Amino acid sequence: KAGVTQTPRYLIKTRGQQVTLSCSPISGHRSVSWYQQTPGQGLQFLFEYFSETQRNKGNFPGRFSGRQFSNSRSEMNVSTLELGDSALYLCASTNTGTRNTGELFFGEGSRLTVL
Amino acid sequence: GQQLNQSPQSMFIQEGEDVSMNCTSSSIFNTWLWYKQDPGEGPVLLIALYKAGELTSNGRLTAQFGITRKDSFLNISASIPSDVGIYFCSCPGNQFYFGTGTSLTVIP
Repeated sequence: KAGVTQTPRYLIKTRGQQVTLSCSPISGHRSVSWYQQTPGQGLQFLFEYFSETQRNKGNFPGRFSGRQFSNSRSEMNVSTLELGDSALYLCASTNTGTRNTGELFFGEGSRLTVL
Repeated sequence: GQQLNQSPQSMFIQEGEDVSMNCTSSSIFNTWLWYKQDPGEGPVLLIALYKAGELTSNGRLTAQFGITRKDSFLNISASIPSDVGIYFCSCPGNQFYFGTGTSLTVIP
């Protein structure tokens, strides 16, 4: 079974720009969740999508948004980038999401640097 | 915000030593999960705990789900260089909560 695929792996943007990151979940998984990882902060939950609907949302400003397509692929977008948005963005998939007590399957992440 | 308090934040140990890390929460959770993240990779599940008081082993790893359902620990025995990485505790609730991570360095 192919794993979770995230693209791009690395990208550099400047302040004020916007960025779109993509995540393809494991085949058959309907839940995709996104996380921001920065040193010392661990993994901060951004949002979860299940069957094209946002089911849960973390405490991030409205500049962070996402969507999920009918094939379960998901994108997240960050508008008006700030220096503090530099981070590793991870997505993870599961079959049923937070209502499942099983494991998350993570991609390798997209490392965003904002200059 | 963050609900899982994980400690220690980092550890530097000699190869062969045992390691212990723990997570505590102000809320009750019904599941505790422990993940490991290798450099440049996404986290991978090590151990899952579903019952208060449960003690589970996976090779050199042992984890316990606290009886109060507000804490868990992970032990690694006889550490080896490939144990290097960041270890996270996690609990699913309204969202997936994660601890801040324990960075482990093993000195050969």
